[in-house]
Amino acid sequence: NAGVTQTPKFQVLKTGQSMTLQCAQDMNHEYMSWYRQDPGMGLRLIHYSVGAGITDQGEVPNGYNVSRSTTEDFPLRLLSAAPSQTSVYFCASTRTGNYGYTFGSGTRLTVV
Amino acid sequence: TQLLEQSPQFLSIQEGENLTVYCNSSSVFSSLQWYRQEPGEGPVLLVTVVTGGEVKKLKRLTFQFGDARKDSSLHITAAQPGDTGLYLCAGEMNTGNQFYFGTGTSLTVIP
Repeated sequence: NAGVTQTPKFQVLKTGQSMTLQCAQDMNHEYMSWYRQDPGMGLRLIHYSVGAGITDQGEVPNGYNVSRSTTEDFPLRLLSAAPSQTSVYFCASTRTGNYGYTFGSGTRLTVV
Repeated sequence: TQLLEQSPQFLSIQEGENLTVYCNSSSVFSSLQWYRQEPGEGPVLLVTVVTGGEVKKLKRLTFQFGDARKDSSLHITAAQPGDTGLYLCAGEMNTGNQFYFGTGTSLTVIP
């Protein structure tokens, strides 16, 4: 099984550009989340989904959009990139019960 | 301000020493998890604790969930270089599988 797959692994954007970070999981997990990781701040929750068609905001949702049209996919869209969005982004999924999240290997995004 | 504060932020110790990492909050959590992350990778789950006062052991690692379910600790006995990594606690609120992560503790074990 591939687990959680994130693409791309690296990306450089100019301020104002838009892009979509892709996330796919093949474990039939109901729950999926997007986190960003910055030095000294651990991981902060951006958006999450409890199932196809259902999404909600986390701690730091501004500047990001998500959708969940299928169980497998949970893309994260940056509407107009800003330097403050330079970070490492992780997608994660889990199922009902205390199983913990399975994380992707991350996307390192730099906005110049 | 983060929901979960971890201390210390950085820890560098000699192989064979013991250490404790703390995860504290003013909020109550329905469960709490500990993860370990290596450079360039996503975090990997170590343990989940769900009951106040619960203690779980994983070989040389001991995890404790506070009685009030607001804090947790991770104790490593006889640390080894392979324990080097970033340790993250994550608390679940409202049993909605939304986990909020702590600030992280970067551990370096020197051979």
